[in-house]
This record gives sequence, structure tokens and C-alpha cells, in this order.
Amino acid sequence: QKEVEQNSGPLSVPEGAIASLNCTYSDRGSQSFFWYRQYSGKSPELIMSIYSNGDKEDGRFTAQLNKASQYVSLLIRDSQPSDSATYLCAVRGGTSYGKLTFGQGTILTVHP
Amino acid sequence: DAMVIQNPRYQVTQFGKPVTLSCSQTLNHNVMYWYQQKSSQAPKLLFHYYDKDFNNEADTPDNFQSRRPNTSFCFLDIRSPGLGDAAMYLCATSKGGLAGYNEQFFGPGTRLTVL
Repeated sequence: QKEVEQNSGPLSVPEGAIASLNCTYSDRGSQSFFWYRQYSGKSPELIMSIYSNGDKEDGRFTAQLNKASQYVSLLIRDSQPSDSATYLCAVRGGTSYGKLTFGQGTILTVHP
Repeated sequence: DAMVIQNPRYQVTQFGKPVTLSCSQTLNHNVMYWYQQKSSQAPKLLFHYYDKDFNNEADTPDNFQSRRPNTSFCFLDIRSPGLGDAAMYLCATSKGGLAGYNEQFFGPGTRLTVL
């Protein structure tokens, strides 16, 4: 079983729709959870971090964390073509203190 | 603006010819990381420095070395690049502390081509 697993995608949504990206992790002791956006040929950009159960909203982005289910998600409301990118879920803590474990990424395409 | 800077952005080297990639940061973070990312793969951690303490990943080849002469700078040395070392190399930083390592911020990356 992969340590951090994301829905494989690619995910295609129309402009203005809600994009939902999902991530599960295996280390129950994980403490911190991050979403990075990576455009093709560019480096990862941190867009959300979440540390406690529940929802965290920042503009059009909402991160949701459920530690009991070992599940973290990212919702993008009013999706724009500029949101088209690979989204990486990263998990820190538990047995790998300080180290991030990345999922394989989900490619999101927002079409006009 | 505080940032992570990597130089060069693109590096072409020959098979077996040593190469050094550099990273500098103005965030005053005490943790610096080097990742390797190949096409369509997740970033793979090579090693990191917590202050001056070097932490190598178990599966990082000996061909990869690192130096951190001061808080702001960190270097990645590839002693004898092979064709399989062609990748994007990412530097990241974070603020360490009692709560553990926090959010990591990436530089723009160096794209390495090995001929």
C-alpha cells in the first residue's frame, strides 16, 4: 500500500465547477497535511496547509481533514482554466519526523 | 520579497562530469532540503540540513553530496552524473522548531540534462 495515495485522475471539470481532489494516507501518526500546486515544468507551490480535523478555507480553496478516516481533500470552487495543474498531497509527521511524503499527484484540467 | 533562489535554472552536463547546483534563501529558515523530481513523479527527498546537521536519506546514492556553508546557502554536488540523473532538482526550506518542521517552500528548480 502506498503511504500517500491520491485519486489517479486526470480530473477534468468545466470552468466554474467545483473540483474535488482526494488523498488518503497510511501513517496514523501523521501530524500535518499540505496541498501543493505544480504547473508543468515549474516547482511545487504551497497552496494549503491543515493540521486539525475539519475544514480550512482560503479564498476559492477549502482543505478538509479527517484523521479518523486518514483522509484529506482539497476543494476548488469556481474553477478557472488557470487552476489546470498537478496537485500534490503531502503528509508530514508520525514515524518520519519533519519529512514530507508526497502522493503521486492528480492532474486537473479546467476547460472553458 | 523573501524567497528561495536556485542557480542555474538549466544545467547541461556531460556523462561523468561533476556538477554543482546552488540554492540560497532569504527566509532565514534553518532547514534546507534537496529533492529530485523526474517527469510525472512525485519529488523524492535526497537529504536535508537542520541547521548544520546533515540528514541523508537511506536510498540516496553516494554520487550525491551536499554542503551548507552558512544558513543562507546550500549546494548539491553530483560527482559523476549518469543519464539516470537527468531530472528537476528542487531546493526547499522550512522553519524548524519545537513543533517540528513546518511548511516547506520550494525554489524554482534546476533542470539538469546529462548528455
